[in-house]
Amino acid sequence: KAGVTQTPRYLIKTRGQQVTLSCSPISGHRSVSWYQQTPGQGLQFLFEYFSETQRNKGNFPGRFSGRQFSNSRSEMNVSTLELGDSALYLCASRKTGISGGQETQYFGPGTRLLVL
Amino acid sequence: GENVEQHPSTLSVQEGDSAVIKCTYSDSASNYFPWYKQELGKRPQLIIDIRSNVGEKKDQRIAVTLNKTAKHFSLHITETQPEDSAVYFCAVGGGYNKLIFGAGTRLAVHP
Repeated sequence: KAGVTQTPRYLIKTRGQQVTLSCSPISGHRSVSWYQQTPGQGLQFLFEYFSETQRNKGNFPGRFSGRQFSNSRSEMNVSTLELGDSALYLCASRKTGISGGQETQYFGPGTRLLVL
Repeated sequence: GENVEQHPSTLSVQEGDSAVIKCTYSDSASNYFPWYKQELGKRPQLIIDIRSNVGEKKDQRIAVTLNKTAKHFSLHITETQPEDSAVYFCAVGGGYNKLIFGAGTRLAVHP
């Protein structure tokens, strides 16, 4: 089975621009979560999608948004980029994300975003 | 709210020694406790996990122990090797139907 994939792997943007990142989960997985990883803040949960619906949301401003398609692929968008948005953005997939959250979560390789 | 504390933030050991990383959590409804290893420039990879009906789980040189009463769990790596050098994250799942991660421990194993 192919693992979680993310595109693009690297991205350079300037302040004020917007960016869209893509994540394809493991085949058969319907839950996709997004995380922001920075050296200072560690792995911070952005949001989770299941069956095209946002099920959980972390403490990020409204500039961060996402969506999920019927084939479970997910995108996240960051508008009006700020320097502090520079980070590694990781997505992770689980089969359903229910069962009390006990399912194994698999990470993609991440998209490294640099905002200049 | 959910909170996961992880200690220590950095750990340096000699090859062959043991390493122990500890995490505490606040949500008593939590019932899933995975550990991830992240090597430099790579994705976090699950190395071991434990569910609340088990107190200890071993996989070769790696073991995880869970104390639900005290709300803490630990990762034990025995006979450490240089390739064990990485950042290790604990996580907690269940109560909020999502995984909450600790801040990470940077483990350095010196030959």
